[in-house]
Amino acid sequence: DAGITQSPRHKVTETGTPVTLRCHQTENHRYMYWYRQDPGHGLRLIHYSYGVKDTDKGEVSDGYSVSRSKTEDFLLTLESATSSQTSVYFCAISEASGGAGTDTQYFGPGTRLTVL
Amino acid sequence: GDSVTQMEGPVTLSEEAFLTINCTYTATGYPSLFWYVQYPGEGLQLLLKATKADDKGSNKGFEATYRKETTSFHLEKGSVQVSDSAVYFCALTGANSKLTFGKGITLSVRP
Repeated sequence: DAGITQSPRHKVTETGTPVTLRCHQTENHRYMYWYRQDPGHGLRLIHYSYGVKDTDKGEVSDGYSVSRSKTEDFLLTLESATSSQTSVYFCAISEASGGAGTDTQYFGPGTRLTVL
Repeated sequence: GDSVTQMEGPVTLSEEAFLTINCTYTATGYPSLFWYVQYPGEGLQLLLKATKADDKGSNKGFEATYRKETTSFHLEKGSVQVSDSAVYFCALTGANSKLTFGKGITLSVRP
């Protein structure tokens, strides 16, 4: 199994509070991703990173920001959480050595976030 | 843009039944195609993949063939087990190298 951990694994917070989720990898992979999983939507990309300090937006980036100051850590921040951000959040990594399109993405165990 | 369409679920089968889960896609260029599986309470795991037309991906008794002429990547298994109960996602990476998922389908296998 790829070495990916996410913290916290569960969090309950209130509307309007800031929340930061952490993804940590031990594989030294270049690419890191944040997804959210919602019933009826599959997984949707929020943001991704292609190197330290290099990030870009995904399909559903509004209300989220990210940072990557080290290869192994990728942080997802909800500046002011809303109930619509209640979801399960997954981090993924890929090596992209053969081109990002063909490489497998490996997923972390997920963080269940509830915004009341 | 790129999209993946999976058959509607959930699917319930008896053990040892034949499984087919349909997946079709829309993408420009030559996407890579994937099936991921999510067991209860866990993250997604790659089940199999195919990176060019006519390739067959296989793993744990599951198979899927990349059919460019029908833009399909249907998942099959000859004899399902209770342990195959999970959510199955079809996905692709297209010209933008981003992974696009279908909505997923829940498979329940009863003894």
